[in-house]
This record gives sequence, structure tokens and C-alpha cells, in this order.
Amino acid sequence: DAGVIQSPRHEVTEMGQEVTLRCKPISGHDYLFWYRQTMMRGLELLIYFNNNVPIDDSGMPEDRFSAKMPNASFSTLKIQPSEPRDSAVYFCASSFLGIHEQYFGPGTRLTVT
Amino acid sequence: GESVGLHLPTLSVQEGDNSIINCAYSNSASDYFIWYKQESGKGPQFIIDIRSNMDKRQGQRVTVLLNKTVKHLSLQIAATQPGDSAVYFCAEGLRDDKIIFGKGTRLHILP
Repeated sequence: DAGVIQSPRHEVTEMGQEVTLRCKPISGHDYLFWYRQTMMRGLELLIYFNNNVPIDDSGMPEDRFSAKMPNASFSTLKIQPSEPRDSAVYFCASSFLGIHEQYFGPGTRLTVT
Repeated sequence: GESVGLHLPTLSVQEGDNSIINCAYSNSASDYFIWYKQESGKGPQFIIDIRSNMDKRQGQRVTVLLNKTVKHLSLQIAATQPGDSAVYFCAEGLRDDKIIFGKGTRLHILP
């Protein structure tokens, strides 16, 4: 199994632009999580899905952030418009039943200038 | 690529010695506790977990101890190796399925 796949690995964009991050979870996993990691705030849960349905989005910082999971093998995290304070590493993780054993992707390093 | 904070607490351990990484938690209602390892430029990797009704659990070269009286969790790594160099996070599992990560401790292995 290839593990959790994220794309792009690096993204540099200008303030005000739309950014879309993509994630392919491990096949058969029914939970998908989006995290953001920064030096100041550590690893924060943004949103998670169960069977493609958003369960908890209380970590999404503002309306500029949105996430979708149209099917079991694909999810997106969109930021529109992006701001410099959105610069971080964004991780996607998936798990099967055991919520605590999550498998993380390699992350997308986002830089907003 | 750097992906974690530069000002994390750091534990330096001689190669071959045992490492003990500590974590304090605040939510007495947490159902389980988990340790993750994050190497530079990678995502966190699950190491071991322990349910709240246990006080000790052993894995391969790792042991997790839970002291609910003082809300303290520790990860012990036996015979520390260079490949153990990473940032270690403890996390709490809450009843509504999500887990909350702590700030992390950097483990530095001395040759």
C-alpha cells in the first residue's frame, strides 16, 4: 500500500490566491483527518470525516477554509483567499475504526507571500 | 524539511541508553492516550497507545506508563538508537473520536 498520498508537496502562492490541497487516504480507511502544523501552535486538528461525512469542523479557523470528501478515496482542503498567516504544513491522515492509530501523509508545505 | 517548533523541550540521550519522555495531560475524561513519533520532514507515525483503564503497556522496545492520579504519561524507549531521533508527541483520545496532540519533545541521540 502506498500510504496516504498528499499533493502538492510544496505550494508557494501569493496572498489572495486560492489554494487547494489534495489527499488520497489509505484504501479501506473510513476516517480522514486534516491537520495544520506550525511552530507557534503545534499540530491542530482542522476537520475530520467518517464515511465521507464531515463530523467535526470546529478546528477550521475561518470561513476562508473549506474541506470536502466527495468519495472514499479523495479529499480536498481549500483556502480562499489565502493569507500569509496560513503558511504551515498541512497533513492529511486516515484511520480504520481505531481512531487513535492514524496514518499520516507526508504533508503539504504551504507558503503564502 | 523542518516541520515542528524550534523551541520544543529537548531530551539528549546517549546511544544505547534508555530514554524516558514525559507528558502531562489535563483531561481526566480522556479514554485513551497515544504516542506518535515525527521525524524531520515527515508526518507523525503511531507508536503505541494505552487505554485509560490500564497503567502500563509494552511494545517492541517501548513501554508506556499511565499515572491517572497525577495525570502523567511517559514513553520509555529501551536501548536508544540513532533512528529514534525525532519529535515525540503524546495525544489524548476523546470520546467523540478525535485526538488532541500535545506540544512535543525532541529526542536527540548522542553518539
